[in-house]
This record gives sequence, structure tokens and C-alpha cells, in this order.
Amino acid sequence: DADVTQTPRNRITKTGKRIMLECSQTKGHDRMYWYRQDPGLGLQLIYYSFDVKDINKGEISDGYSVSRQAQAKFSLSLESAIPNQTALYFCATSDATGATDTQYFGPGTRLTVL
Amino acid sequence: SQQGEEDPQALSIQEGENATMNCSYKTSINNLQWYRQNSGRGLVHLILIRSNEREKHSGRLRVTLDTSKKSSSLLITASRAADTASYFCALDTTSGTYKYIFGTGTRLKVLA
Repeated sequence: DADVTQTPRNRITKTGKRIMLECSQTKGHDRMYWYRQDPGLGLQLIYYSFDVKDINKGEISDGYSVSRQAQAKFSLSLESAIPNQTALYFCATSDATGATDTQYFGPGTRLTVL
Repeated sequence: SQQGEEDPQALSIQEGENATMNCSYKTSINNLQWYRQNSGRGLVHLILIRSNEREKHSGRLRVTLDTSKKSSSLLITASRAADTASYFCALDTTSGTYKYIFGTGTRLKVLA
């Protein structure tokens, strides 16, 4: 089974709708991240969390919110989706006990906002 | 804004040839990592080089880091069709606000 899973894998929604993307991990890592990737571009950090009580904004947090429900779960919400939030979204984890923060990625969620 | 810039943006080579891609950055770093992404899928970690290291090897991968020039290169030797993917550098920065910055990526195509 995959260590980092994301649901749904694909989602089409309409402008103004609230949508939640979910991430679960079995790696036992404390640190979790949400990124978005636009076509032909690198990843941009949306939010990150170093433990259950810790939430931090990344480069592009406007229009997004997150919830760290447990060590293993980190959800990303779009309160009112807009078309320019159409992108590929990735969840990642890393081990706080390591000195390198190597990140382990989920398979991604392809979100289309019409 | 992203602080890692990679070049070339795209690279097409024949199987068996070497592929070199470069990453330049503007900030101070703790380490620099390289990741691979197959089309539309999650990134996979390849190799890490710390700021006090100049060169690392892993199988057919060779990474160099020049902190004075704020640049790194990834060399894939004896490329294979299966190496076709996008490659990203990722910066673990020393800035006060934690940021893990990804480069813009190099799309590598290895022709059989």
C-alpha cells in the first residue's frame, strides 16, 4: 500500500463551491505539506504543518485553508473555488527527526474548477 | 516567487548519452535536493547534497554544488528511455520563515 495517499485523485467542480482534498500517511512522519503545481511549472507551497498543533502558511495560502486532524491526516480546503485554482495538488510528508527533510509525495489530486 | 531556476527547461538526448541539468538559486541553503517526476505523478527523491559538500554520487547520478555561485548540477550518465521525466531541484533554505523551495524543473526526454 502507498505510504502517502490522497483523495480524490481527480475532481471537477464549479466556481464558488467548497471542496476538500484529503491526505493520509502511514510513514509516521510529523511534518506534512500541501503543494500546487501548474502546468510546466514547479511546486508552490500552500501550507505546512510540523505537528498536530502547528499550521503555517506557505507561499500561496490565499484562498486555501488546512486542518491537521491527526498526525496522519492533513486536509486542504478551498472555501470558494475559482478557475485559477485549477491545478495538480500534492501532499507530502517528511521526518522531523532527520536533518534533511527529504519529502515523500502522494500521487496527486487533479482539480479542475469550471 | 520561486527561488530555484533550472536550465535547460527541456532537454532531448539519445539513449546512452549523458544528461546535465542545472539549478541556480538566490538564497542561502542548508541543503539542496533533486527530485524526479514522471508525468502527472508525485515527486520522488533522488539525491541530497549538503551546503558543505561539493559533490555526491548515487548510481548513475552525480550532483555538484557551488555555494559561491549558488548553483548545482545534476548529471545522469548513460541515460535510458526510462529516465524520461521532469527533474526538480529543491532548496532547504536558511531563511527565518521555513520554506522548502522547488525549482522550475527540466523536462528530460531520452530517445530510444
